[in-house]
Amino acid sequence: NAGVTQTPKFQVLKTGQSMTLQCAQDMNHEYMSWYRQDPGMGLRLIHYSVGAGITDQGEVPNGYNVSRSTTEDFPLRLLSAAPSQTSVYFCASSPSLYPNTEAFFGQGTRLTVV
Amino acid sequence: AQTVTQSQPEMSVQEAETVTLSCTYDTSESNYYLFWYKQPPSRQMILVIRQEAYKQQNATENRFSVNFQKAAKSFSLKISDSQLGDTAMYFCAFLGGAGGTSYGKLTFGQGTILTVHP
Repeated sequence: NAGVTQTPKFQVLKTGQSMTLQCAQDMNHEYMSWYRQDPGMGLRLIHYSVGAGITDQGEVPNGYNVSRSTTEDFPLRLLSAAPSQTSVYFCASSPSLYPNTEAFFGQGTRLTVV
Repeated sequence: AQTVTQSQPEMSVQEAETVTLSCTYDTSESNYYLFWYKQPPSRQMILVIRQEAYKQQNATENRFSVNFQKAAKSFSLKISDSQLGDTAMYFCAFLGGAGGTSYGKLTFGQGTILTVHP
Protein backbone atom coordinates (compact mmCIF):
# COMPACT_ATOMS: atom_id res chain seq x y z
CA ASN A 1 0.00 0.00 0.00
CA ALA A 2 2.01 2.97 -1.29
CA GLY A 3 -0.24 5.82 -0.04
CA VAL A 4 1.15 9.21 -1.09
CA THR A 5 4.46 9.08 -2.95
CA GLN A 6 6.62 12.13 -3.50
CA THR A 7 9.69 12.27 -5.71
CA PRO A 8 12.44 13.25 -5.42
CA LYS A 9 13.21 13.20 -1.68
CA PHE A 10 16.09 15.66 -2.08
CA GLN A 11 16.93 18.17 -4.79
CA VAL A 12 19.43 20.98 -5.32
CA LEU A 13 18.66 23.58 -7.96
CA LYS A 14 20.46 26.60 -9.28
CA THR A 15 18.67 29.93 -9.28
CA GLY A 16 16.55 30.26 -12.40
CA GLN A 17 16.21 26.55 -13.08
CA SER A 18 12.79 24.96 -13.34
CA MET A 19 11.68 21.59 -12.07
CA THR A 20 8.64 19.52 -11.19
CA LEU A 21 7.99 17.85 -7.86
CA GLN A 22 5.96 14.72 -8.39
CA CYS A 23 3.11 13.56 -6.19
CA ALA A 24 1.04 10.43 -6.72
CA GLN A 25 -1.55 8.69 -4.57
CA ASP A 26 -3.10 5.27 -5.06
CA MET A 27 -6.06 5.66 -2.72
CA ASN A 28 -8.46 7.27 -5.23
CA HIS A 29 -8.58 10.42 -3.12
CA GLU A 30 -10.42 13.43 -4.51
CA TYR A 31 -8.59 16.14 -2.60
CA MET A 32 -4.85 16.84 -3.00
CA SER A 33 -2.70 19.70 -1.83
CA TRP A 34 0.86 21.03 -1.64
CA TYR A 35 2.49 22.66 1.36
CA ARG A 36 5.87 24.12 2.14
CA GLN A 37 7.42 23.88 5.59
CA ASP A 38 9.78 26.56 6.81
CA PRO A 39 11.29 26.93 10.30
CA GLY A 40 9.01 28.80 12.69
CA MET A 41 6.19 29.05 10.15
CA GLY A 42 4.57 25.65 10.17
CA LEU A 43 3.19 24.32 6.90
CA ARG A 44 1.72 26.78 4.43
CA LEU A 45 -0.67 25.85 1.66
CA ILE A 46 0.63 26.50 -1.86
CA HIS A 47 -2.07 25.03 -4.14
CA TYR A 48 -4.85 22.52 -3.78
CA SER A 49 -7.26 20.51 -5.92
CA VAL A 50 -10.72 19.19 -5.08
CA GLY A 51 -10.75 16.83 -8.06
CA ALA A 52 -9.33 16.13 -11.51
CA GLY A 53 -9.31 19.29 -13.61
CA ILE A 54 -9.90 21.63 -10.65
CA THR A 55 -7.15 23.56 -8.87
CA ASP A 56 -7.03 26.64 -6.68
CA GLN A 57 -4.47 28.82 -4.95
CA GLY A 58 -3.53 28.58 -1.33
CA GLU A 59 -1.67 31.00 0.91
CA VAL A 60 1.67 31.17 -0.96
CA PRO A 61 1.09 30.33 -4.66
CA ASN A 62 3.54 32.74 -6.32
CA GLY A 63 6.30 31.02 -8.28
CA TYR A 64 4.46 27.69 -8.43
CA ASN A 65 2.11 26.04 -10.91
CA VAL A 66 -0.02 22.94 -10.58
CA SER A 67 -2.31 20.85 -12.75
CA ARG A 68 -4.56 17.87 -12.03
CA SER A 69 -5.17 15.88 -15.19
CA THR A 70 -5.80 12.62 -13.32
CA THR A 71 -7.12 11.71 -9.88
CA GLU A 72 -3.81 10.08 -8.97
CA ASP A 73 -1.26 12.76 -9.85
CA PHE A 74 -0.76 16.32 -8.67
CA PRO A 75 2.64 17.70 -9.78
CA LEU A 76 4.05 20.98 -8.50
CA ARG A 77 6.11 23.04 -10.93
CA LEU A 78 8.70 25.63 -9.98
CA LEU A 79 8.90 27.97 -12.92
CA SER A 80 12.17 29.79 -12.14
CA ALA A 81 13.68 28.68 -8.85
CA ALA A 82 14.70 31.31 -6.31
CA PRO A 83 16.62 30.94 -3.02
CA SER A 84 13.40 31.91 -1.20
CA GLN A 85 11.91 28.63 -2.42
CA THR A 86 14.40 26.62 -0.39
CA SER A 87 12.10 24.60 1.82
CA VAL A 88 10.64 21.19 2.56
CA TYR A 89 7.61 20.44 0.40
CA PHE A 90 4.78 18.13 1.34
CA CYS A 91 2.02 16.71 -0.78
CA ALA A 92 -1.17 15.50 0.93
CA SER A 93 -4.39 13.80 -0.10
CA SER A 94 -7.81 13.16 1.47
CA PRO A 95 -10.63 10.86 0.35
CA SER A 96 -12.97 13.83 0.35
CA LEU A 97 -13.20 16.94 2.41
CA TYR A 98 -16.14 15.80 4.48
CA PRO A 99 -16.95 13.87 6.52
CA ASN A 100 -13.65 11.99 6.41
CA THR A 101 -11.20 14.84 6.77
CA GLU A 102 -7.92 13.07 7.52
CA ALA A 103 -5.09 14.20 5.26
CA PHE A 104 -2.43 11.64 4.31
CA PHE A 105 0.99 13.15 3.71
CA GLY A 106 3.92 12.13 1.55
CA GLN A 107 7.38 11.96 3.10
CA GLY A 108 8.41 15.35 1.82
CA THR A 109 10.95 16.78 -0.61
CA ARG A 110 13.83 18.85 0.71
CA LEU A 111 14.63 21.46 -1.94
CA THR A 112 17.68 23.71 -1.84
CA VAL A 113 18.05 26.56 -4.32
CA VAL A 114 21.56 27.98 -4.59
CA ALA B 1 -8.09 34.43 6.70
CA GLN B 2 -7.85 31.98 9.52
CA THR B 3 -4.89 31.99 11.86
CA VAL B 4 -3.55 29.30 14.16
CA THR B 5 -1.12 30.18 16.93
CA GLN B 6 1.07 27.87 18.97
CA SER B 7 2.78 30.01 21.57
CA GLN B 8 5.19 27.36 22.86
CA PRO B 9 8.12 26.87 20.45
CA GLU B 10 9.58 24.14 22.68
CA MET B 11 8.41 21.96 25.55
CA SER B 12 10.01 19.18 27.54
CA VAL B 13 8.62 16.52 29.83
CA GLN B 14 9.89 13.57 31.79
CA GLU B 15 8.93 10.10 30.68
CA ALA B 16 5.60 8.93 32.20
CA GLU B 17 4.51 12.46 33.06
CA THR B 18 1.76 14.56 31.48
CA VAL B 19 2.27 17.54 29.20
CA THR B 20 -0.13 19.98 27.57
CA LEU B 21 0.52 21.77 24.29
CA SER B 22 -1.39 24.99 23.61
CA CYS B 23 -3.13 26.14 20.45
CA THR B 24 -5.41 29.07 19.76
CA TYR B 25 -7.10 29.96 16.51
CA ASP B 26 -9.02 32.83 15.05
CA THR B 27 -12.00 32.37 12.78
CA SER B 28 -15.42 33.84 12.13
CA GLU B 29 -16.76 30.56 10.86
CA SER B 30 -18.95 28.21 12.87
CA ASN B 31 -18.30 25.02 10.94
CA TYR B 32 -14.75 23.72 11.01
CA TYR B 33 -12.41 20.92 12.10
CA LEU B 34 -9.30 21.02 14.26
CA PHE B 35 -6.37 18.62 14.23
CA TRP B 36 -3.13 17.81 15.96
CA TYR B 37 -0.40 16.35 13.77
CA LYS B 38 2.89 14.82 14.94
CA GLN B 39 6.10 15.12 12.92
CA PRO B 40 8.94 12.94 14.23
CA PRO B 41 12.52 13.34 12.98
CA SER B 42 11.62 11.08 10.04
CA ARG B 43 9.62 14.08 8.71
CA GLN B 44 6.46 12.01 8.27
CA MET B 45 3.25 13.85 9.20
CA ILE B 46 1.04 11.69 11.42
CA LEU B 47 -2.51 12.54 12.50
CA VAL B 48 -2.78 12.38 16.29
CA ILE B 49 -6.33 13.51 16.96
CA ARG B 50 -9.26 15.28 15.31
CA GLN B 51 -12.10 17.43 16.69
CA GLU B 52 -15.27 18.51 14.90
CA ALA B 53 -16.32 21.99 16.00
CA TYR B 54 -19.98 21.02 16.29
CA LYS B 55 -19.17 18.32 18.85
CA GLN B 56 -19.02 19.50 22.43
CA GLN B 57 -17.34 16.35 23.69
CA ASN B 58 -13.55 16.50 23.71
CA ALA B 59 -11.85 13.98 21.45
CA THR B 60 -9.67 11.26 22.96
CA GLU B 61 -7.27 8.78 21.37
CA ASN B 62 -5.57 6.53 23.92
CA ARG B 63 -3.00 8.70 25.76
CA PHE B 64 -3.91 11.78 23.74
CA SER B 65 -6.83 14.05 24.54
CA VAL B 66 -7.86 17.59 23.73
CA ASN B 67 -9.43 20.43 25.64
CA PHE B 68 -11.63 22.17 23.10
CA GLN B 69 -12.96 25.54 24.25
CA LYS B 70 -14.96 26.83 21.29
CA ALA B 71 -15.90 30.20 22.78
CA ALA B 72 -12.29 30.90 23.72
CA LYS B 73 -11.04 29.44 20.38
CA SER B 74 -8.61 27.23 22.21
CA PHE B 75 -7.59 23.68 21.34
CA SER B 76 -4.92 22.22 23.59
CA LEU B 77 -3.43 18.72 23.41
CA LYS B 78 -2.76 16.69 26.53
CA ILE B 79 -0.36 13.78 26.36
CA SER B 80 -0.55 11.44 29.34
CA ASP B 81 2.09 8.91 30.37
CA SER B 82 4.60 10.48 27.96
CA GLN B 83 6.85 8.08 26.11
CA LEU B 84 10.23 8.58 24.43
CA GLY B 85 8.53 7.95 21.08
CA ASP B 86 6.37 11.03 21.62
CA THR B 87 9.43 13.21 20.97
CA ALA B 88 8.48 15.16 17.83
CA MET B 89 7.24 18.45 16.43
CA TYR B 90 3.50 18.87 17.02
CA PHE B 91 1.31 20.98 14.76
CA CYS B 92 -2.16 22.29 15.44
CA ALA B 93 -4.26 22.74 12.29
CA PHE B 94 -7.60 24.26 11.24
CA LEU B 95 -9.80 23.13 8.34
CA GLY B 96 -12.71 25.30 7.28
CA GLY B 97 -16.10 23.70 6.81
CA ALA B 98 -18.49 23.68 3.87
CA GLY B 99 -19.89 27.08 2.98
CA GLY B 100 -17.11 29.07 4.63
CA THR B 101 -14.37 31.19 3.07
CA SER B 102 -11.68 28.76 4.23
CA TYR B 103 -13.45 25.68 2.89
CA GLY B 104 -10.90 23.04 1.98
CA LYS B 105 -7.89 24.99 3.25
CA LEU B 106 -5.83 23.44 6.02
CA THR B 107 -4.05 26.12 8.08
CA PHE B 108 -1.22 25.10 10.42
CA GLY B 109 0.29 26.66 13.51
CA GLN B 110 4.01 27.25 13.82
CA GLY B 111 4.63 24.00 15.66
CA THR B 112 5.87 22.99 19.13
CA ILE B 113 8.95 20.83 19.54
CA LEU B 114 8.30 18.32 22.33
CA THR B 115 11.19 16.45 23.92
CA VAL B 116 10.52 13.55 26.26
CA HIS B 117 13.41 12.87 28.64
CA PRO B 118 14.10 9.45 30.19
